[in-house]
Amino acid sequence: IQMTQSPSSLSASVGDTVTITCRASQGIFNSLAWYQQRPGQVPKLLIHAASRLGSGVPSRFSGSGSGTDYTLTIRSLQPEDFATYYCQQYYTLPPLTFGGGTEVEIK
Amino acid sequence: EVQLVESGGGLVRPGGSLRLSCVASGFTLSASDMNWVRQVPGRGLQWISYIGSDDTVHYADSVKGRFTISRDNAKNSLFLEMNSLRVDDTATYHCARDGFDVLTDSTFHAFDLWGRGTTVIISS
Repeated sequence: IQMTQSPSSLSASVGDTVTITCRASQGIFNSLAWYQQRPGQVPKLLIHAASRLGSGVPSRFSGSGSGTDYTLTIRSLQPEDFATYYCQQYYTLPPLTFGGGTEVEIK
Repeated sequence: EVQLVESGGGLVRPGGSLRLSCVASGFTLSASDMNWVRQVPGRGLQWISYIGSDDTVHYADSVKGRFTISRDNAKNSLFLEMNSLRVDDTATYHCARDGFDVLTDSTFHAFDLWGRGTTVIISS
């Protein structure tokens, strides 16, 4: 299953709402995770099952979608949210596949 | 503290071999489903291999037949034996644990714990 993320990068300001999309090449039945990776750090699991927030993840992060199309929304962007975000499908194993990433930069 | 620590990376010539290790602390590795994921600096993530608590193993096509995942329960450690290494295997290799959903009391194949990684460079 191929995962296509868009956009590959975006510029936003503190306080903005940003939306990142991920499209699977076939239906993945909400078996989708989102990760945040800050520079020099390992990925952090934000969301699994398309919309379930991970432990300790702020409520300004939310996930939605179904079928092949999924969305990560970050409301009221904070300075610590500037990072690269990845989606990952886990409907099929093997393989597990990631999207290409979206870099969220400060405008 | 719950953590994963990898080691074993290095500089190897094409065609060579390496054995990566990942030591778990704060949890029982044998009871967990574990993975290796690699990342080329500045680029994306690629899942490489999986070993389940039931010893089921899976590999990405790009490494099948060359890499072997294994586990030593007594040492609470995960391994990745890498043979016939190629230039495009150059990356930072992370071990990662499958997540556990407390509401459904089940695991899922996304990763809630990552090690910091060990760097593998394949070059002549």
